[in-house]
Amino acid sequence: DAMVIQNPRYQVTQFGKPVTLSCSQTLNHNVMYWYQQKSSQAPKLLFHYYDKDFNNEADTPDNFQSRRPNTSFCFLDIRSPGLGDAAMYLCATSLRLAGSYNEQFFGPGTRLTVL
Amino acid sequence: EDQVTQSPEALRLQEGESSSLNCSYTVSGLRGLFWYRQDPGKGPEFLFTLYSAGEEKEKERLKATLTKKESFLHITAPKPEDSATYLCAVQYTGNQFYFGTGTSLTVIP
Repeated sequence: DAMVIQNPRYQVTQFGKPVTLSCSQTLNHNVMYWYQQKSSQAPKLLFHYYDKDFNNEADTPDNFQSRRPNTSFCFLDIRSPGLGDAAMYLCATSLRLAGSYNEQFFGPGTRLTVL
Repeated sequence: EDQVTQSPEALRLQEGESSSLNCSYTVSGLRGLFWYRQDPGKGPEFLFTLYSAGEEKEKERLKATLTKKESFLHITAPKPEDSATYLCAVQYTGNQFYFGTGTSLTVIP
């Protein structure tokens, strides 16, 4: 089945220790997104890639970076995690056609704990 | 200003007790409205896309409808396995996606 895969499912890091979360997809979608979701809150978009074009949300902290080396993979780097960065990180994909973004399909998420 | 507002925040139903969840949005340039189901500790699962007022979509016990200012997710004769958080997201002409905070549904056997 076509899907969005996130690794690891659970990540524990120490305050200030860099961490990388990964996402891969077999849907062959041209758009990939990273969201942060804290308990009982809406998913908050951090950034997205349309093909290789990177789009950063205005309020995404510089502490968060992303890489998309190819169509299938996307990485979220948190350079110096703080306690406030503990959250579920969701990767999603969608297909952009004729200038319009269609529905997004989500991976299972990575739960990040910062000690 | 909130782009998407969902109500109620939480809803408890007896098994078989039908109800509706609401998603209201600020107007102007809606490209699409999306409903998702999210189980605890998991990513959202896509349910429906609605594009224009008057449109309806159905899947098993769920039916989504859209007006010019809001969408409803109707749940008919719910079962305990329908317990989840239901998220609404809207997409505007600038292609931005905005998620609501969701409605947490609990169906009691």
